[in-house]
Amino acid sequence: DGGITQSPKYLFRKEGQNVTLSCEQNLNHDAMYWYRQDPGQGLRLIYYSQIVNDFQKGDIAEGYSVSREKKESFPLTVTSAQKNPTAFYLCASSTRTGPHEQYFGPGTRLTVT
Amino acid sequence: AQKVTQAQTEISVVEKEDVTLDCVYETRDTTYYLFWYKQPPSGELVFLIRRNSFDEQNEISGRYSWNFQKSTSSFNFTITASQVVDSAVYFCALSELGSSNTGKLIFGQGTTLQVKP
Repeated sequence: DGGITQSPKYLFRKEGQNVTLSCEQNLNHDAMYWYRQDPGQGLRLIYYSQIVNDFQKGDIAEGYSVSREKKESFPLTVTSAQKNPTAFYLCASSTRTGPHEQYFGPGTRLTVT
Repeated sequence: AQKVTQAQTEISVVEKEDVTLDCVYETRDTTYYLFWYKQPPSGELVFLIRRNSFDEQNEISGRYSWNFQKSTSSFNFTITASQVVDSAVYFCALSELGSSNTGKLIFGQGTTLQVKP
């Protein structure tokens, strides 16, 4: 079945450690996105990529990094520079020419203590 | 600046009641798209509908209907005869066709709908 997978579902890390969240899609979509969701809030855009080997900062990119070496994959690294990393992270993809609906993965809940 | 406001933080209804979720948006563009997504307890956002700014026709899909009014910058979502499975967080979102055409979505805060049996 076509879709977006994110792993793991739950992730726990100690403060000061970098952590990488996985996002894979087999929808043949060019564009991919990373969002952060905090309790009681909407989604905020961290990074997005419209094509392989290219990506742009979203509204809250500080403390995060991404790569887009393959069309299917868009991993997100939460670095130790991110001051408040505990959140729910959602990955999405869409056809390149926007704005088209984005399809979301199941999310990764990251807890940093 | 673009903005989406969902003034209702939480709504609680009893099964079979109708419920309307409000969405008000702000944009300077004349061409834009509006979306509704559902986020069940599992966490994954599910796409419900996309409308463009040139199409003000209301849309109905089963028990779901959407009322788009440009004059009031609103895109409200009504669930008829609600069911327990409708319990979720619902997000309204806006996307503009800017020069960069990035497909970026601006989300509202979300409305938590609880449908009680």
